[in-house]
Amino acid sequence: TQLLEQSPQFLSIQEGENLTVYCNSSSVFSSLQWYRQEPGEGPVLLVTVVTGGEVKKLKRLTFQFGDARKDSSLHITAAQPGDTGLYLCAGDRRYSTLTFGKGTMLLVSP
Amino acid sequence: DARVTQTPRDKVTEMGQEVTMRCQPILGHNTVFWYRQTMMQGLELLAYFRNRAPLDDSGMPKDRFSAEMPDATLATLKIQPSEPRDSAVYFCASGLELDRDGYGYTFGSGTRLTVV
Repeated sequence: TQLLEQSPQFLSIQEGENLTVYCNSSSVFSSLQWYRQEPGEGPVLLVTVVTGGEVKKLKRLTFQFGDARKDSSLHITAAQPGDTGLYLCAGDRRYSTLTFGKGTMLLVSP
Repeated sequence: DARVTQTPRDKVTEMGQEVTMRCQPILGHNTVFWYRQTMMQGLELLAYFRNRAPLDDSGMPKDRFSAEMPDATLATLKIQPSEPRDSAVYFCASGLELDRDGYGYTFGSGTRLTVV
């Protein structure tokens, strides 16, 4: 059983479009992190959300943590080819342990 | 920028051989993780250490895998004997204990292991 479900699994869009990816669970997390991974590299941390209902913005990326701290979303405005990559969410259920979702593969075409 | 260094980047070995993967965490980080990534399973936690002590290795096949931190600058993951199903990318990550500012973890570039 996958603790964190990410959707969609794959997303192919044109440059300039908006998109939202989701990370859902039946479990409560003390915090949730979003990473982006490019081919041949390790995941790179984008943001950590800690408080239920919290919204964080990173340029064109908006991250939201659900009120119940069970789910999260990532919204990208005006996607660019440089946004292409695998987006992973990771939940912290115990102190300093992360469980990852399988990720959403995003392809942004020029 | 501080980096987590993993060696080797790529390893091809024959079934039954011993494989050792190494990780140099970021200086000052007190938590080290080993993850395995495959297309089917995604990122799976194998082991993690805090202040060099192993805290959780429940995700690791104990009969063939072992993880150690002989000192604060080196973490190792060994597979003996290796099997084709061990083929994956193995990542090491290091970090500080999480707080509300969310330091998160820094991943290395991984070791791509192919067992033939």
